[in-house]
Amino acid sequence: DADVTQTPRNRITKTGKRIMLECSQTKGHDRMYWYRQDPGLGLRLIYYSFDVKDINKGEISDGYSVSRQAQAKFSLSLESAIPNQTALYFCATSDFGTGGVEDTQYFGPGTRLTVL
Amino acid sequence: AQKVTQAQTEISVVEKEDVTLDCVYETRDTTYYLFWYKQPPSGELVFLIRRNSFDEQNEISGRYSWNFQKSTSSFNFTITASQVVDSAVYFCALSASTDSWGKLQFGAGTQVVVTP
Repeated sequence: DADVTQTPRNRITKTGKRIMLECSQTKGHDRMYWYRQDPGLGLRLIYYSFDVKDINKGEISDGYSVSRQAQAKFSLSLESAIPNQTALYFCATSDFGTGGVEDTQYFGPGTRLTVL
Repeated sequence: AQKVTQAQTEISVVEKEDVTLDCVYETRDTTYYLFWYKQPPSGELVFLIRRNSFDEQNEISGRYSWNFQKSTSSFNFTITASQVVDSAVYFCALSASTDSWGKLQFGAGTQVVVTP
């Protein structure tokens, strides 16, 4: 079984709808991240969480919110989806980081979201 | 602020040719980590290598090799004797201490196309 799973894998929704993307991990890592990937822009950080009670905004958090329900679960919500949120979304995890092996991030398979 | 530049958008080679991917980074930190990830057509992100700023020893792993040069802020990646299965997008990424460990700054990626 995959260590980092994302649901759904594909989603088509309409402008204005609320949508939630879910991420679960079995790696036992403390840190979890949400990124979005757009063509030609690489991956950009939306939110990150270093433990259940520590949630932080990333580079592009506007229009998104997150919930860390447990060490293993980190959800990303789009409260009112808009077309420019059409992208590939990745969840990632890493161990507690002090700069080293722990900081390697392992990614889920991605969720392809289309907002019409 | 951290920045990663992958100037090559796409590289096309014929099978068995070598291909080198360039990565230039910017950071004020003296302690940082550099990463390469591979994204095959299936979409997942696969971790390839991590290198810390204190270790400039270059590395070879099978057909892959990496050339880290702090003097030019570069962390280049070479695929020797390329194969069709090497066709993918390759991302260079940076994690540095002042931006808090674990937050990866990605380059825009380089698409590698290997034709038979």
